[in-house]
Amino acid sequence: GAVVSQHPSRVICKSGTSVKIECRSLDFQATTMFWYRQFPKQSLMLMATSNEGSKATYEQGVEKDKFLINHASLTLSTLTVTSAHPEDSSFYICSARSTGGGTGELFFGEGSRLTVL
Amino acid sequence: AQSVTQLDSHVSVSEGTPVLLRCNYSSSYSPSLFWYVQHPNKGLQLLLKYTSAATLVKGINGFEAEFKKSETSFHLTKPSAHMSDAAEYFCVVIPAYSGNTPLVFGKGTRLSVIA
Repeated sequence: GAVVSQHPSRVICKSGTSVKIECRSLDFQATTMFWYRQFPKQSLMLMATSNEGSKATYEQGVEKDKFLINHASLTLSTLTVTSAHPEDSSFYICSARSTGGGTGELFFGEGSRLTVL
Repeated sequence: AQSVTQLDSHVSVSEGTPVLLRCNYSSSYSPSLFWYVQHPNKGLQLLLKYTSAATLVKGINGFEAEFKKSETSFHLTKPSAHMSDAAEYFCVVIPAYSGNTPLVFGKGTRLSVIA
């Protein structure tokens, strides 16, 4: 089946630094990717919808200058957490749907655990 | 508007006994429904999906779910729990013909399996 790869799976950084997380669709093209954040023992919270070749659409309450999203190609979207703080520590998950769109299956990456010291 | 309610935040069963994880949905259109499983510190894996074909859907690892429109339910079942089934389970809905509208997640049900 289709695979979505996320990298890195774990990252620890100092407060004030920026961290980039990559999300790649390995065997299909994805015009749209989604970025989720998951707090411990909670469900996934949609942060933003990443559209290839255009600006991301952010959910209410998500700071676009804090969480920079770039979807430069049909197989790669990146999430950059800028000037990270301890409260940004979380599990970040991306997902992608093939260019067929519609109601097809959404494939998820393995997630990236960010710890900000 | 679409919404998903997972009725139990935590379900505990003994190994070898049946599993029932409950999910009710609300959707303005005929929905597509999914069950995903998440093991600790991992991404989500699709168990099964309903997309207006057969109402009884069989998935991986012996799981199945039945779409009941009259009850707006899509409960997940398994005849016999295995220790490896212990995980978090998410019921997810999207309305039909929604283009690239993101999924709506339930809050999740944590399944514990006791030896």
